[in-house]
Amino acid sequence: DIQMTQSPSSLSASVGDRVTITCRASQSISNYLNWYQQKPGEAPKILIHAASSLQSGVPSRFSGTGSGTDFTLTISSLQPEDFSSTYYCQQFYTLPYTFGQGTRPEIK
Amino acid sequence: QVQLQQSGPGLVKPSQTLSLTCAISGDSLSNNNAAWNWIRQSPSRGLEWLGRTYYRSKWYNDYAGSVKSRITINPDTPNNQFSLHLNSVTPEDTAVYYCVRDYQGIDYWGQGTLVTVSS
Repeated sequence: DIQMTQSPSSLSASVGDRVTITCRASQSISNYLNWYQQKPGEAPKILIHAASSLQSGVPSRFSGTGSGTDFTLTISSLQPEDFSSTYYCQQFYTLPYTFGQGTRPEIK
Repeated sequence: QVQLQQSGPGLVKPSQTLSLTCAISGDSLSNNNAAWNWIRQSPSRGLEWLGRTYYRSKWYNDYAGSVKSRITINPDTPNNQFSLHLNSVTPEDTAVYYCVRDYQGIDYWGQGTLVTVSS
């Protein structure tokens, strides 16, 4: 199975900060990577498909880059509603689909 | 708007079978461009993909190796729904179970069902 490793697991930031979350795959997955946001008590919601394609309705402060084994999710200006969420990467290059362990921003 | 409505028990005894159903509205189970999956989430295992069913002129299934000997996902075309059956459950199968649509990414999720395995 392809292992997805996110870093950091948590981060301390302030409203308005630029935040970058990294996801590394244990082997090359081309651009077959999605990013999700999960708020407490809710199902995850897709933010970015295929490494960099922002999904409809997702604020433009979210962006994704990367290819091969290294990917990043950037939040250009962290908003209060972003703090309560956990962010996950997921590869869909091959089965079984696998997810990172999650990254949660916390208020500095 | 696609909606996935899950149903099934929240408590299952060890060694018994966990069964959940996912009713689809706003899309067709036979959509040639979508796959219908089950994913679970627990503090110990995180988000874990379990398997999928999809239609490409005929029905196909894929399962995660970790549960392959215990899992069945069945399409129910007349009722536009699909089901999960996981047998011989143990407390390690305690998790929130989600049915999801995979179209361009996992774009729709059911509401989630907390299934506890306990006697």
